[in-house]
Amino acid sequence: AQKITQTQPGMFVQEKEAVTLDCTYDTSDQSYGLFWYKQPSSGEMIFLIYQGSYDEQNATEGRYSLNFQKARKSANLVISASQLGDSAMYFCAMREYGGATNKLIFGTGTLLAVQP
Amino acid sequence: DAGITQSPRHKVTETGTPVTLRCHQTENHRYMYWYRQDPGHGLRLIHYSYGVKDTDKGEVSDGYSVSRSKTEDFLLTLESATSSQTSVYFCATRVGGGSYEQYFGPGTRLTVT
Repeated sequence: AQKITQTQPGMFVQEKEAVTLDCTYDTSDQSYGLFWYKQPSSGEMIFLIYQGSYDEQNATEGRYSLNFQKARKSANLVISASQLGDSAMYFCAMREYGGATNKLIFGTGTLLAVQP
Repeated sequence: DAGITQSPRHKVTETGTPVTLRCHQTENHRYMYWYRQDPGHGLRLIHYSYGVKDTDKGEVSDGYSVSRSKTEDFLLTLESATSSQTSVYFCATRVGGGSYEQYFGPGTRLTVT
């Protein structure tokens, strides 16, 4: 069965420093995709970044990058130059391949606190 | 941002009553999803739709039904609400084709007393 594991329930980082949020996944599919979403205290789910399993380069979106290590089945999110507004819950998710679903399977999240 | 709204945003209801949550999108996305979010579980898929009148079950569909009579609207119904259905409900949409990102609505906080 497909599964996403986020082992860090909570993390602290100093403002302006970089931080890595861990995500490992388990799947037997050859084609899949990995996502990161941000959920601030206001509750909305914000799409951050996507990596397809066949993408050769790591995905980047501004200060966000996804460190994709296929052999290790990891898809860590790196946030560079943390800002106070980055304080939020972060969810890693995997796209389940196939058919009409392409549903997302989510991890349990990591709560990031950025300290001034 | 797919222009997704959810209504109501908050609701308190009693055990045994029917409840309908509405998701409305303005971007003409083909796929729509209902998730629930509970502490320690992340988000879990309840039902999804791949077109008008085309729906199917997700991993936690018991006690829920859905309908999609128009592209822009996806309704989630709790036939007879139970306390275990107290949760935050999110609607999401996906444009389809080779685009896999799902965009989420603001959520509905439902409390069943």
